[in-house]
Amino acid sequence: GESVGLHLPTLSVQEGDNSIINCAYSNSASDYFIWYKQESGKGPQFIIDIRSNMDKRQGQRVTVLLNKTVKHLSLQIAATQPGDSAVYFCAENRKGSQGNLIFGKGTKLSVKP
Amino acid sequence: GAVVSQHPSRVICKSGTSVKIECRSLDFQATTMFWYRQFPKQSLMLMATSNEGSKATYEQGVEKDKFLINHASLTLSTLTVTSAHPEDSSFYICSARAWRDEKLFFGSGTQLSVL
Repeated sequence: GESVGLHLPTLSVQEGDNSIINCAYSNSASDYFIWYKQESGKGPQFIIDIRSNMDKRQGQRVTVLLNKTVKHLSLQIAATQPGDSAVYFCAENRKGSQGNLIFGKGTKLSVKP
Repeated sequence: GAVVSQHPSRVICKSGTSVKIECRSLDFQATTMFWYRQFPKQSLMLMATSNEGSKATYEQGVEKDKFLINHASLTLSTLTVTSAHPEDSSFYICSARAWRDEKLFFGSGTQLSVL
């Protein structure tokens, strides 16, 4: 559905701390999930993905956790840096769809130096 | 990663004019392209899905005659906002996917402002 809220949830962290961004997805038929980072005035940038047959995947400084029981996805960023400040979206790909992603509402991450 | 180029990045037009936005996959063949719309501080909303050589599939509530989509080649899709009005002002983003690849790569977006 369409996101109507005027304010994005915001997470404020200190530089060097770890960040955890959470996302609840809606459809148990979704089998592929992606985290995107979007900086102001730019398109989303791929961060990391995970398939439904996994519960954890690690990248460089980032980890995605998937809990299918409660339909929850999280993105962990280690040693957060000022350059990580952006809006983060989770997206789900529903099995059998044309590959069009359904985006979550987004979380704004602010990193304090 | 794959590169998707979107042009123009910003356009200002008068009410009633039409605006064309181009989306190109630079280093891969995009069998499917998607167009999204995004309002300030909100998430991306899928407008339509286009497959090369066929008509686009529009999401519910999106006017086909208002937002014309053409995907004539494996590397280019265009979105034309016809007879634009101030309420069409928004950030439009395209994305592209290669055959059998679930990853979507996004363009840099187009900020449309209709006066």
